[in-house]
Amino acid sequence: QVQLVESGGGVVQPGTSLRLSCAGSGFTFDSYGMHWVRQAPGKGLEWVALIWYDGSNIHYADSVKGRFTISRDNSKKTLYLQMNSLRVEDTAVYYCAKDHYGTHSEAFDFWGQGTMVTVSS
Amino acid sequence: SSELTQDPAVSVALGQTVRITCQGDSLRSYYASWYQQKPGQAPVLVFFGRDNRPSGIPERFSGSKSENIASLTITRTQAEDEADYFCASRDSSGFQLLFGGGTKLTVL
Repeated sequence: QVQLVESGGGVVQPGTSLRLSCAGSGFTFDSYGMHWVRQAPGKGLEWVALIWYDGSNIHYADSVKGRFTISRDNSKKTLYLQMNSLRVEDTAVYYCAKDHYGTHSEAFDFWGQGTMVTVSS
Repeated sequence: SSELTQDPAVSVALGQTVRITCQGDSLRSYYASWYQQKPGQAPVLVFFGRDNRPSGIPERFSGSKSENIASLTITRTQAEDEADYFCASRDSSGFQLLFGGGTKLTVL
């Protein structure tokens, strides 16, 4: 069965960096687009970034552009999110999600359980 | 950039039909997908595209789109359908994704 397991969350100070990982299993990892989606405490979902199956196309939400970098290592079946210059407003549960397609769409058919990132001084 | 607008809360009597809507200009060009999220859990995809229901999702969940409004319809609503529902689609460029603000469904 499809599994996505995020790791790397924690409590950090504003202005610092953190790298999240998402290990995929139970599907052909290098055939599907992948996304990061976040959810601030008590709030709705916010799409963060996407990457195509081969890494050839990457796009970001305006709120994280220039600070966050999405990447993938298909040999390790792992998705990453490098987060720099973290702000208090980046505090959220971060989910990785598998796209239904190899490129990107609005259909995220499997989600991890999420990893919490808290940015606080 | 575009926005997707949802009613914050909707209620439905047990066993009845409820429609949850999502409005946005980008829906004139792109389909919506729908996610169910229960407290403390990750979202679950319940409907996407023109007419696609993921494996394991009951047939009583269906979606539609007209002009700039997408809808998720739940027939014979069950108590376990009580959850937050989010729509998602693309912005006008097609390269950024958007979520609606979510609708809290209460089953009476």
